[in-house]
Amino acid sequence: DARVTQTPRHKVTEMGQEVTMRCQPILGHNTVFWYRQTMMQGLELLAYFRNRAPLDDSGMPKDRFSAEMPDATLATLKIQPSEPRDSAVYFCASGVGVATDTQYFGPGTRLTVL
Amino acid sequence: AQSVTQLGSHVSVSEGALVLLRCNYSSSVPPYLFWYVQYPNQGLQLLLKYTSAATLVKGINGFEAEFKKSETSFHLTKPSAHMSDAAEYFCAVSIIQGAQKLVFGQGTRLTINP
Repeated sequence: DARVTQTPRHKVTEMGQEVTMRCQPILGHNTVFWYRQTMMQGLELLAYFRNRAPLDDSGMPKDRFSAEMPDATLATLKIQPSEPRDSAVYFCASGVGVATDTQYFGPGTRLTVL
Repeated sequence: AQSVTQLGSHVSVSEGALVLLRCNYSSSVPPYLFWYVQYPNQGLQLLLKYTSAATLVKGINGFEAEFKKSETSFHLTKPSAHMSDAAEYFCAVSIIQGAQKLVFGQGTRLTINP
C-alpha cells in the first residue's frame, strides 16, 4: 500500500531555531505539494514541485522558508529562523500532476514553536 | 480565478440521518471538483471527484456528490450517517497552472450525535 511519509510527526522547538521537515512522495509520482494547516487560515498551499523543479512557491514567506527536492524520493521544507506564528500542521502531498489527479497526503508534521 | 465556498463550518446530524455538506464553486472554465476527508490527526484522503464524466459521482464510505452546473454546486451527501463519519470535509477545485493545483474550501466539521 503506497503512501506518502513525513518525518518528524511532531516537533517542538524554540523560537529562532531551524526546523527541517521531510517528505517521501509515492514512488512514481512527479508532483509534490507542501501545505500548512492552521485553525485560522485553514489549508494553505506553500509550494509545489514538478519533476523536482519548483513551480510555485508564492505561498511561502521567502525570508524564512525554503523548499527543495534533493532527489525524486525526498522533499524538504525548512524554516530558519522559526517563529511562534509558524506553529501549524505541515502536510506533504504527491501526485502525477494532471488536473484530474488525486493528491495523496502524508500524515503531517505538527510543529510547535515556543 | 477558481474558488470554492463551503457553507457551514460545522454541521451536526444524528446517527442514521441524512448528511448534506454544501459546496459552491466559481470557475471560468469547466471545473474539476474534489471532496477530501480528514479524520483526526490524519492527512486528507480523497472521497470522490468530478472530472466531467457522470454528474453524479459515487465515492467511498457511501458518499456521493452531484455536479450541478446551473447552480455551480457540488454538494456532498450520504443517506445515513454513521459515527465513523465524524471528520472534517474539504471541497476543492483544480487549477491548471503548469501542474495540477488544488484550491480548498475552508472545511466543514461534521459531528454525529448518537
